[in-house]
Amino acid sequence: SAVISQKPSRDICQRGTSLTIQCQVDSQVTMMFWYRQQPGQSLTLIATANQGSEATYESGFVIDKFPISRPNLTFSTLTVSNMSPEDSSIYLCSVVTHTEAFFGQGTRLTVV
Amino acid sequence: AQSVTQLGSHVSVSEGALVLLRCNYSSSVPPYLFWYVQYPNQGLQLLLKYTSAATLVKGINGFEAEFKKSETSFHLTKPSAHMSDAAEYFCAVSEDTGNQFYFGTGTSLTVIP
Repeated sequence: SAVISQKPSRDICQRGTSLTIQCQVDSQVTMMFWYRQQPGQSLTLIATANQGSEATYESGFVIDKFPISRPNLTFSTLTVSNMSPEDSSIYLCSVVTHTEAFFGQGTRLTVV
Repeated sequence: AQSVTQLGSHVSVSEGALVLLRCNYSSSVPPYLFWYVQYPNQGLQLLLKYTSAATLVKGINGFEAEFKKSETSFHLTKPSAHMSDAAEYFCAVSEDTGNQFYFGTGTSLTVIP
């Protein structure tokens, strides 16, 4: 299993600012995944973060808007840049170990 | 390519009634299949998973799901709904260990007293 600590748990931010979300895992994992869950919707994968290489972004997501760091095998950050109200969402990090996906508690972001 | 379809974005059942949440998948290889539950303001929690062992999988809280390859389905059931089962349920598919997951759009379950 894996225990994921994600912070902050929630934040209210002004438009035009940036927020960095941190994700700490209690074990070493090769890949970490960042998802967005918009209100009333399912999880959409933003990017996959591998240690030591650039993150791989899904269609519709770009590095300038969602820069990701992966400095080691237990930690990653996702930054939501130049925020607008459309970025209001829950952001989750996830890891997969032994066929099971584990999730952080999520960061509930409101942009005003 | 993989995809997951959950039929019915909202399901309402009476307390004590059968719960049936539908999930169909598309995968080019034998998949790993999962059901996750998300209670209000909480993260996702694994209910059960199918990883090519027994086709009938039992999970937590009395839930179970049956993998039917011929129907490409992995429907979630529970014989008797409890009020505490009210939550959002997500079906997910993965093609390999350590790989990304693909989620369905979710089904919101309401349990009526």
